[in-house]
Parts: sequence; structure tokens; C-alpha cells
Amino acid sequence: NAGVTQTPKFRVLKTGQSMTLLCAQDMNHEYMYWYRQDPGMGLRLIHYSVGEGTTAKGEVPDGYNVSRLKKQNFLLGLESAAPSQTSVYFCASSPRQFIAMNTEAFFGQGTRLTVV
Amino acid sequence: ILNVEQSPQSLHVQEGDSTNFTCSFPSSNFYALHWYRWETAKSPEALFVMTLNGDEKKKGRISATLNTKEGYSYLYIKGSQPEDSATYLCAPVIQGAQKLVFGQGTRLTINP
Repeated sequence: NAGVTQTPKFRVLKTGQSMTLLCAQDMNHEYMYWYRQDPGMGLRLIHYSVGEGTTAKGEVPDGYNVSRLKKQNFLLGLESAAPSQTSVYFCASSPRQFIAMNTEAFFGQGTRLTVV
Repeated sequence: ILNVEQSPQSLHVQEGDSTNFTCSFPSSNFYALHWYRWETAKSPEALFVMTLNGDEKKKGRISATLNTKEGYSYLYIKGSQPEDSATYLCAPVIQGAQKLVFGQGTRLTINP
């Protein structure tokens, strides 16, 4: 059971380049999330999706776009990468809303992105 | 923005000692509190999901308590082992929220 898989694991971009990070889950989860992790900042929510075809902004959405065309995939796009977007990106999924009993998040292994 | 505070930010503990750390969160509109364990180079994994005031959860040597009225949770580790070295994250869930907002984490290092 693969769970949550992120592609790629590592990437180096030049300032101004664009790229897409892919998150795929095989657990038939409704909810998916993109977080970024920076030293001393914990996990900060970029965007999330409550179902296929839906997206919503999190705490730090600027500079990113997302799409959820298929239930199992959640894509995070950087249109014009900036050094401030150097970070480790984590995708997560959950089967239902967190207000449902005992619902937890399942995380991917992370993507380390460096923008030079 | 939900204000979630974890303290201390980092902690060094001798192997065999017990330790604890805190997660503070707004008590209004509270629904649940999540604890995650995050080992270096791995993905965060859920430890506990707690909902009831006075609730206590236990998994092996790790336990957690919850006070929803005053807005805090404690995580305890008894007899620390090197494999307990990790960052421990908490995330409260408020009524109507569709997402988790995490604290900065407590980075625990167990010294052999």
C-alpha cells in the first residue's frame, strides 16, 4: 500500500522557472493538503482541497497554484519560482473532515526544492 | 489565524529520563487536538487524536493529556530512548475547520 506519494523527491530550480509537484494517494481520500516546512516555522498550509474539482487557500498561498482534477491527485504549481520558495514541501491526505471522529492526516515523504 | 504555541522549541534529554512538553491553543470553538511524530528524513505520523476534556491517550511509553477549557495538551515520554528523537507537532481542530494548523513543534533529542 503506497499511501501518499510525492514526485519528485528533490529539485533545483533557477529563479523564474516553473514546475509542478505531484501528490498521489491511493487511499480514496477526499481531502488533500499542501504544506511547506521551513526551519523554525513548523508546517504551514499552502492550499488544500475538500474533494475532486475543489481547491482553497491556506495560510501562505501566494506564488502557488493548485489543481485537483482527479480525486487521487493534487498538483502544486510554481509559475515563477523565487528563492523564498526554497523549502521542503509535504503533501497530506485525510479520508474526511478532521471534525469527524478519529480522523488523522497521512503525509507523503516530502519534496526538497531549492531555488537558486 | 489560529495561534498554536508549542514549548519548548527544542529539548535535549538523557536516555532513560522522562520528559514532557506542551501545546497551547485557543479554547474557543475547539473540536479536537492532533499530535504527530516526525522523525528526520521521514514523514510526520499521527500519534494521537484527542477530543474530550480530561482525555488521556497512551501508546507504549508515550502518553498525552488534554485540557480543552484552558486550551493546552501535554505530551509525556517515559524512559526516553534514542528512537524517540523526533519533532513532535500538535495541531488543534476548531469547529467548522477543514484543515490542520500546526504548531512550530518541539524538537526532542535523546542523548545516549
